[in-house]
Amino acid sequence: NAGVTQTPKFQVLKTGQSMTLQCAQDMNHNSMYWYRQDPGMGLRLIYYSASEGTTDKGEVPNGYNVSRLNKREFSLRLESAAPSQTSVYFCASSEANYRQGPTDTQYFGPGTRLTVL
Amino acid sequence: DAKTTQPPSMDCAEGRAANLPCNHSTISGNEYVYWYRQIHSQGPQYIIHGLKNNETNEMASLIITEDRKSSTLILPHATLRDTAVYYCIVLSGFQKLVFGTGTRLLVSP
Repeated sequence: NAGVTQTPKFQVLKTGQSMTLQCAQDMNHNSMYWYRQDPGMGLRLIYYSASEGTTDKGEVPNGYNVSRLNKREFSLRLESAAPSQTSVYFCASSEANYRQGPTDTQYFGPGTRLTVL
Repeated sequence: DAKTTQPPSMDCAEGRAANLPCNHSTISGNEYVYWYRQIHSQGPQYIIHGLKNNETNEMASLIITEDRKSSTLILPHATLRDTAVYYCIVLSGFQKLVFGTGTRLLVSP
């Protein structure tokens, strides 16, 4: 199993450009998440998807959109990139189903390092 | 509002036990204590979690005080590869992981 994979690994954008970060998991997990991590800071949740077909805002959703394409894939889109979105983006997945009780372990991908000039 | 308090940094000699403390004085009865770590430039990695009993796995031990207001993560024989930022998180149900700034553990030869 590859676990959680993310593409691309690195990306440089100019202000105003758009792009989509891709994430896929092969663990048949119900839930998927997008986080960002700025230098010297902890992770902050952008969006999450508790199950296929549902998405919800996290702590810092402004400037982003997400799409849970199917159970395996969860993409993050920047419509008009800004320098403030320069960060490392992590995708994660877990078995957790919000109907079933304690939050389960999250498994993280290797990250996408995004620079917006 | 932070649910946990951790020291910003700690040092440990290679081969010795690393004891990482975490205060969570407002923890409620159904909240679990989770520990993750993040090695430089990598995604966070799950270590261990517990509710009220002490837990042990192949990576670490988790000691939770009887009143559950604090816990300690123990790496019994720290290696250089254990140098990382360690995050203590409390949550229940389908709550979202909230990562603070954690404890930066430096293991030295």
